[in-house]
Amino acid sequence: QKEVEQNSGPLSVPEGAIASLNCTYSDRGSQSFFWYRQYSGKSPELIMSIYSNGDKEDGRFTAQLNKASQYVSLLIRDSQPSDSATYLCAVKRQYTGNQFYFGTGTSLTVIP
Amino acid sequence: GAVVSQHPSRVICKSGTSVKIECRSLDFQATTMFWYRQFPKQSLMLMATSNEGSKATYEQGVEKDKFLINHASLTLSTLTVTSAHPEDSSFYICSARPPAPSYEQYFGPGTRLTVT
Repeated sequence: QKEVEQNSGPLSVPEGAIASLNCTYSDRGSQSFFWYRQYSGKSPELIMSIYSNGDKEDGRFTAQLNKASQYVSLLIRDSQPSDSATYLCAVKRQYTGNQFYFGTGTSLTVIP
Repeated sequence: GAVVSQHPSRVICKSGTSVKIECRSLDFQATTMFWYRQFPKQSLMLMATSNEGSKATYEQGVEKDKFLINHASLTLSTLTVTSAHPEDSSFYICSARPPAPSYEQYFGPGTRLTVT
């Protein structure tokens, strides 16, 4: 079982719609969760971090964490073509130092 | 947000030569930096964790004598690819973690290495 799993997609949504990206993780003791956006040929850019169960909102982005279900998601409201990218979920486990475990990423395309 | 720079952004070298890549945290001190490699259409692969003032911790399968890492200061880590071969051609990305209590990692822009 992979540490962090994401649906590779591609996920396509029309402009203005809500894009929903999902991630599951295997280590129940994980404490910290992150979403990164990576444009083709570029390095990852941190979008959100979430540490507690529930929702965390930042502009058009909402991260949702459910530790009981070992599930973290990212919602993008009012999707724009510029949101088209690969979204990486990263998890920091509790007792493995500073290392992040990354998912393989979900490719999102927002159709104008 | 925290800014991390990398230099060079792109390098082409001949097989058998060595290449040094620098990673700098510009507006914070990073006791821990990370080096990743990413092949086309694949996810990030952690190569090593670099701690200031101590030896780097390499992931399984990464040759420490081939990928030399030095974290000489709280704002600079370097990765040297020694005796590069075409199969080392990849996108190398560093990241840095600000001081506690932050757990976030901020990535540099990456270095695209091509070995001919």
